[in-house]
Amino acid sequence: DQQVKQNSPSLSVQEGRISILNCDYTNSMFDYFLWYKKYPAEGPTFLISISSIKDKNEDGRFTVFLNKSAKHLSLHIVPSQPGDSAVYFCAASVGNNDMRFGAGTRLTVKP
Amino acid sequence: NAGVTQTPKFQVLKTGQSMTLQCAQDMNHNSMYWYRQDPGMGLRLIYYSASEGTTDKGEVPNGYNVSRLNKREFSLRLESAAPSQTSVYFCASTAVPAVPDTQYFGPGTRLTVL
Repeated sequence: DQQVKQNSPSLSVQEGRISILNCDYTNSMFDYFLWYKKYPAEGPTFLISISSIKDKNEDGRFTVFLNKSAKHLSLHIVPSQPGDSAVYFCAASVGNNDMRFGAGTRLTVKP
Repeated sequence: NAGVTQTPKFQVLKTGQSMTLQCAQDMNHNSMYWYRQDPGMGLRLIYYSASEGTTDKGEVPNGYNVSRLNKREFSLRLESAAPSQTSVYFCASTAVPAVPDTQYFGPGTRLTVL
């Protein structure tokens, strides 16, 4: 039973436009949400996170929004750059030792 | 400072063979983790070690054993490999277990079981 779902396997956007990646979860006990970025043949790297007590967190071009009532979070990348092309994983945890990941969304940013 | 290293990078096994995946970190982290990544499934936690001398099961521990050899090293053993264990395996570590965003991942081991 996947508790974290990314329903879009892929997304393609034009350079300079906004990329919006979505994630849904089912476990209301999750208290911390993260986005990881993964390039081929490398391990995932942490991108941005948000605590369940907040509804928005920004870091440069990256913003994560959390809607607890809908059990939904999204990652906005503005403006998108070709170097952002990667697989993005949404993750959620109760503490740090039980992190659940979504299946990932492959983002392609076209020049 | 190499971060998290994993060996080997690639491995092909026959059903029933055994092998150990090695992981080491040079960041003096307390906690270490083993994940597997399968197509359409994301990463799933196999085992973790919150500190040297302790290990605990994660979401998918069946068919695996682990050893926290010392603070730096955390190995994953497949005693009798099965085709269902074909996957990419990632090791991770973190200094501060209470802060999830500090997990650092290794580059992965791609394992194929025939």
